[in-house]
Amino acid sequence: KAGVTQTPRYLIKTRGQQVTLSCSPISGHRSVSWYQQTPGQGLQFLFEYFSETQRNKGNFPGRFSGRQFSNSRSEMNVSTLELGDSALYLCASSLGWGGSNQPQHFGDGTRLSIL
Amino acid sequence: TQLLEQSPQFLSIQEGENLTVYCNSSSVFSSLQWYRQEPGEGPVLLVTVVTGGEVKKLKRLTFQFGDARKDSSLHITAAQPGDTGLYLCAGARTSGTYKYIFGTGTRLKVLA
Repeated sequence: KAGVTQTPRYLIKTRGQQVTLSCSPISGHRSVSWYQQTPGQGLQFLFEYFSETQRNKGNFPGRFSGRQFSNSRSEMNVSTLELGDSALYLCASSLGWGGSNQPQHFGDGTRLSIL
Repeated sequence: TQLLEQSPQFLSIQEGENLTVYCNSSSVFSSLQWYRQEPGEGPVLLVTVVTGGEVKKLKRLTFQFGDARKDSSLHITAAQPGDTGLYLCAGARTSGTYKYIFGTGTRLKVLA
């Protein structure tokens, strides 16, 4: 069974640019969540999508947005990149959404570096 | 606001030693997960505990959920170099904005 697939694995951008990251969940999983991981802040929740609808949102500025397609694949977009956006962005999928207690399974992440 | 505190933050031990990692919160969680993450990879789910007081064993790893579902512990018996990694606990909340709150992490290094 294929796991969660994130592309690209590595990305280098400059300040002010925008970036789109992609996540393909485990087959049959309908919930996709996005996280930002940095050495200083640890794993911070960005948002969760279920059935193409955003169900939960973390405390990040509006420059961070996402969407989910009918096949459950998800994309995350960050506009007007800042140096502080350098991080490992992780995607996790699960069968159910937030209230279902279903465990999450993570991809290997996209390492985003801002110059 | 960090709702899940893990201790210790760093741990370096010799192969064969035992260790315990703690995950504490003032909030009640409907379930709690433990993950291990290795460099360059995403977190890998080790276990999910749901019931207060629940104990689960995974080979040399023993996980316990507190009676009040506010805290958890991970005990490793006879640690091996392959146990090296970042251990993360994550509490699931079914109310409020957040789905999972992740702990601050415990970085474990087991020396051969």
